[in-house]
Amino acid sequence: DGGITQSPKYLFRKEGQNVTLSCEQNLNHDAMYWYRQDPGQGLRLIYYSQIVNDFQKGDIAEGYSVSREKKESFPLTVTSAQKNPTAFYLCASSTGLAGAGEQYFGPGTRLTVT
Amino acid sequence: AQTVTQSQPEMSVQEAETVTLSCTYDTSESDYYLFWYKQPPSRQMILVIRQEAYKQQNATENRFSVNFQKAAKSFSLKISDSQLGDAAMYFCAYEGYTGGFKTIFGAGTRLFVKA
Repeated sequence: DGGITQSPKYLFRKEGQNVTLSCEQNLNHDAMYWYRQDPGQGLRLIYYSQIVNDFQKGDIAEGYSVSREKKESFPLTVTSAQKNPTAFYLCASSTGLAGAGEQYFGPGTRLTVT
Repeated sequence: AQTVTQSQPEMSVQEAETVTLSCTYDTSESDYYLFWYKQPPSRQMILVIRQEAYKQQNATENRFSVNFQKAAKSFSLKISDSQLGDAAMYFCAYEGYTGGFKTIFGAGTRLFVKA
């Protein structure tokens, strides 16, 4: 079945540690996205990539980094510079054509940093 | 910058009744796309319905329909014959051309369905 996988579902880290969240898609989509979801704030865009080896900062990129070495994969690293990293993180993909289709979302990763 | 506002943090509806969720947006673009996404308790986001701004006809998907008022920049979602499975967070989203293929989401409306 085609879809997006994110792992792990729950992740716990100590403050000061970098952590990488996995996102893989087998939908053959060109565009991939990372969102952060906090209560009462909807989804905020962290980074997005429209093509392999290229990505752009979203609205809240500070303290995060990404790579897009393969079309299928778009991992997100939450660095120690991110002041408030505890949140629910959603990865999504789309065909990349504006409005041509919806974004397909993964099941999300809940990150807790203590 | 574009913004999306959902003024109803929570709504409730009786099973089999109809409910309307509100969404307004602000943009200077003339061509754009609007979406309603549903996030059930599982937190798996799925698309409910989409609307192209250049189309005057309101989109409909089974029990879900929208009231798209371009001049008023309003995009409400109507759910008819509400079912228990409709209980979820609903997010209104805007996609325009400025700055690439970015989608802007509203803060969401939590819908409760009463049996």
